[in-house]
Amino acid sequence: DSGVTQTPKHLITATGQRVTLRCSPRSGDLSVYWYQQSLDQGLQFLIQYYNGEERAKGNILERFSAQQFPDLHSELNLSSLELGDSALYFCASSVAARDSYEQYFGPGTRLTVT
Amino acid sequence: AQSVTQPDIHITVSEGASLELRCNYSYGATPYLFWYVQSPGQGLQLLLKYFSGDTLVQGIKGFEAEFKRSQSSFNLRKPSVHWSDAAEYFCAVGARDTGRRALTFGSGTRLQVQP
Repeated sequence: DSGVTQTPKHLITATGQRVTLRCSPRSGDLSVYWYQQSLDQGLQFLIQYYNGEERAKGNILERFSAQQFPDLHSELNLSSLELGDSALYFCASSVAARDSYEQYFGPGTRLTVT
Repeated sequence: AQSVTQPDIHITVSEGASLELRCNYSYGATPYLFWYVQSPGQGLQLLLKYFSGDTLVQGIKGFEAEFKRSQSSFNLRKPSVHWSDAAEYFCAVGARDTGRRALTFGSGTRLQVQP
C-alpha cells in the first residue's frame, strides 16, 4: 500500500458525459501528479499540482482539467468523454524536498467510456 | 525532452533463472532513473531509484539496477526469479536540471515466469 488513495476504482460512463476522479496523496506529500495509461499511448503524464498550484502540464486534453484543494487532495475532471478516453488513470504523490524525487502511485481508476 | 526505450516488450524466464530487463534513456544530462513494477490490475510500485552516487543500486524484492552513463542505460537485474515476479516492469526518467518532476515512462516489459 503506497498510501495514495484513489476513488472510484472503476467508472463506466457514456460518451459525452463528465466524470470526476479523486486522489488523496500520502500524508505530508505536497505534489500530486496525474497520469493516463492506455494500450496505445502507454503511461503519459497529464498534469502536476504542488500545494494547490498547477506546476506542470503534459499531454492533457483541453476537455480535461484538474485542481488541488487546500487539504491537498486532487480531482481530475474529464468532460465530453470519448471512447478513446477509456484508460487507467493514476494519481501519484511526492514530497517536495530537494533530493526527494520518487513518486508513489495510487491503485488507479479504470474508466470505461461506452 | 527526455525519452525512455525498453526494447523488450515481452520476456519469458524460468523460475530460478536470472533476469535482466533493458532500459535506455535519452537525456542531455544525468537524469533521475526509476524502475516500477505493475502487477495485473494494480498500481505501480517503486522498485528502485538512481539519483547520484553509486551506480549500482539495490531495490526491493531482490532487484538491482546499474546506471551506465556511457551506454545511457539503466538495466534491471535479479539473480533468481520467483513466480511472483511475473508482472509488467516500467523504466522511467525524470529531469534533473529543471523544476519539472513529471516522469517519462518506457513502454514496459511484460515478464512471464515459467515453472
